[in-house]
Amino acid sequence: DSGVTQTPKHLITATGQRVTLRCSPRSGDLSVYWYQQSLDQGLQFLIQYYNGEERAKGNILERFSAQQFPDLHSELNLSSLELGDSALYFCASSGRSMTDTQYFGPGTRLTVL
Amino acid sequence: QQQVKQSPQSLIVQKGGISIINCAYENTAFDYFPWYQQFPGKGPALLIAIRPDVSEKKEGRFTISFNKSAKQFSLHIMDSQPGDSATYFCAAGVRGGNKLTFGTGTQLKVEL
Repeated sequence: DSGVTQTPKHLITATGQRVTLRCSPRSGDLSVYWYQQSLDQGLQFLIQYYNGEERAKGNILERFSAQQFPDLHSELNLSSLELGDSALYFCASSGRSMTDTQYFGPGTRLTVL
Repeated sequence: QQQVKQSPQSLIVQKGGISIINCAYENTAFDYFPWYQQFPGKGPALLIAIRPDVSEKKEGRFTISFNKSAKQFSLHIMDSQPGDSATYFCAAGVRGGNKLTFGTGTQLKVEL
């Protein structure tokens, strides 16, 4: 158990809908990272927050947004969902530096029908 | 230039054999190279990591070999066991930076 929790575990929704994925980092970790894992794209970095502020952006679509709250939990919002958004979404947390070990949560499997 | 190329895509090894997974990168600014192990239904977990000031790092049965001039690094799993069957990802990043670039993963199966 990495200490990172993600909810929900599974999510099934329809095209055009909006969903919110939630992540709670390990106790004491200030950084939260979001990744998308699909069969054809591998593990893609989406966005990082550090202590409430956006720190880095990767291949995140404009339809996706994230935030980190004062209690350090983070939410990833996916809107206008398309079939191609079906994937595993992972959250990871780490300490101050990216080279601190990133601890991954168990993921949320999103299925868009 | 941000890509990390990983091979093979899948690998079958006999129990007790050596599993070798290779990665290559282009961005010479990368100076942190971790390997992650992922079991079905779980998130990736850090296995071992290396910085380019050393050419090899060993932790138990797992060894990273690093070739800075060739911009390549590899994971060797000695005495491979069925419990090692998982997907392995290499990654690369810049110390002090904020993102890791992952390879596409290698599905390893260790057969009895």
